[in-house]
Amino acid sequence: GQQLNQSPQSMFIQEGEDVSMNCTSSSIFNTWLWYKQDPGEGPVLLIALYKAGELTSNGRLTAQFGITRKDSFLNISASIPSDVGIYFCAGQDANFGNEKLTFGTGTRLTIIP
Amino acid sequence: GAVVSQHPSWVICKSGTSVKIECRSLDFQATTMFWYRQFPKQSLMLMATSNEGSKATYEQGVEKDKFLINHASLTLSTLTVTSAHPEDSSFYICSAQEGPRAGELFFGEGSRLTVL
Repeated sequence: GQQLNQSPQSMFIQEGEDVSMNCTSSSIFNTWLWYKQDPGEGPVLLIALYKAGELTSNGRLTAQFGITRKDSFLNISASIPSDVGIYFCAGQDANFGNEKLTFGTGTRLTIIP
Repeated sequence: GAVVSQHPSWVICKSGTSVKIECRSLDFQATTMFWYRQFPKQSLMLMATSNEGSKATYEQGVEKDKFLINHASLTLSTLTVTSAHPEDSSFYICSAQEGPRAGELFFGEGSRLTVL
């Protein structure tokens, strides 16, 4: 199936650093979502974006829905140990549910002690 | 957020046997649930869309006779891996739609299948 290109593939940072990752697609999406997945668990929603240009924050996390509707980025400020995990972007063709999600390739975040 | 639970969390079976994985929405009703498969260090790949009271819609390349999906009630969908083989070993994750918006989709904790 189709996948979104997500970069970087992995990141090694020190605690306290800011993190930035992005997701690009050749197709237009009407909804962008960002998830975090811990080992052996299902994804947990971090931020949902429904409108092109929308900038949304959730605590130390900020995400934006690109104007072209073909990209999105996620920023994490002042990283902490519990931020470790795999971050996935996902796009959906319609604003309303019951439409399948296309997932990005993932960004693995590791915090160096 | 809403709670989606999967059972079992992990299962080990012999090659050739069938395994059933349950996905339950604990505090809401879901007419639509989705089943994903995730191989190690890879992303989630949609297998099928499970619709309550009707046949599931399978993604291209997913064998419907091998991966049987039953969505018999508004709170339960099951995935049965029939005649499992070692290549079916994977992490299977379900999600359930609580409301109309994409952000109202909640994922289960996943079920790890190991076929010997």
